[in-house]
Amino acid sequence: DAGITQSPRHKVTETGTPVTLRCHQTENHRYMYWYRQDPGHGLRLIHYSYGVKDTDKGEVSDGYSVSRSKTEDFLLTLESATSSQTSVYFCAISDQKGEAFFGQGTRLTVV
Amino acid sequence: DQQVKQNSPSLSVQEGRISILNCDYTNSMFDYFLWYKKYPAEGPTFLISISSIKDKNEDGRFTVFLNKSAKHLSLHIVPSQPGDSAVYFCAASLSGGGSNYKLTFGKGTLLTVNP
Repeated sequence: DAGITQSPRHKVTETGTPVTLRCHQTENHRYMYWYRQDPGHGLRLIHYSYGVKDTDKGEVSDGYSVSRSKTEDFLLTLESATSSQTSVYFCAISDQKGEAFFGQGTRLTVV
Repeated sequence: DQQVKQNSPSLSVQEGRISILNCDYTNSMFDYFLWYKKYPAEGPTFLISISSIKDKNEDGRFTVFLNKSAKHLSLHIVPSQPGDSAVYFCAASLSGGGSNYKLTFGKGTLLTVNP
């Protein structure tokens, strides 16, 4: 398995609270991504990073921010969680050309 | 505006027969295509890929075909096995690197292989 770890694996939080999800890799891959998976929508890109401190928005970035201060860690923050952000979140890593490897996912429930 | 489309939400086949999963894309700049398999409660796992300079790539029971003029690719699984039952995602990317390299996924197709 690719060295990619997501934490926490499960979280329940209240509406309006900030939440941070962490993705940690040991593969020294340049690219890191955050996706969310929802029924009927597949995998949608939230934000991605193409290097330390280099990030860009994906297709569903509203309400989310990211930070990458070092190669191995990519943090996803929900600034003020809403029920629409209840989802399964996946982190992925890749080289410039090649397949992306996914973490096991974080199931987030906003109540 | 979906750039990668999997129009069949589900597919059911008999064990031993061929499974064909289809994917269409709209962005002619995509030059690298991948298929992922996903079991419940797990992350997606890479299955097979193809570069736009090829029209076929084979890996054991799995073959991916690319038709660039039609902007269409397909995944063939022969013979299908019950363990192949999963959600299959098609993905596409631009391989130019930098900020352009990101994977765009389709919505997935649930494959069920019946014993």
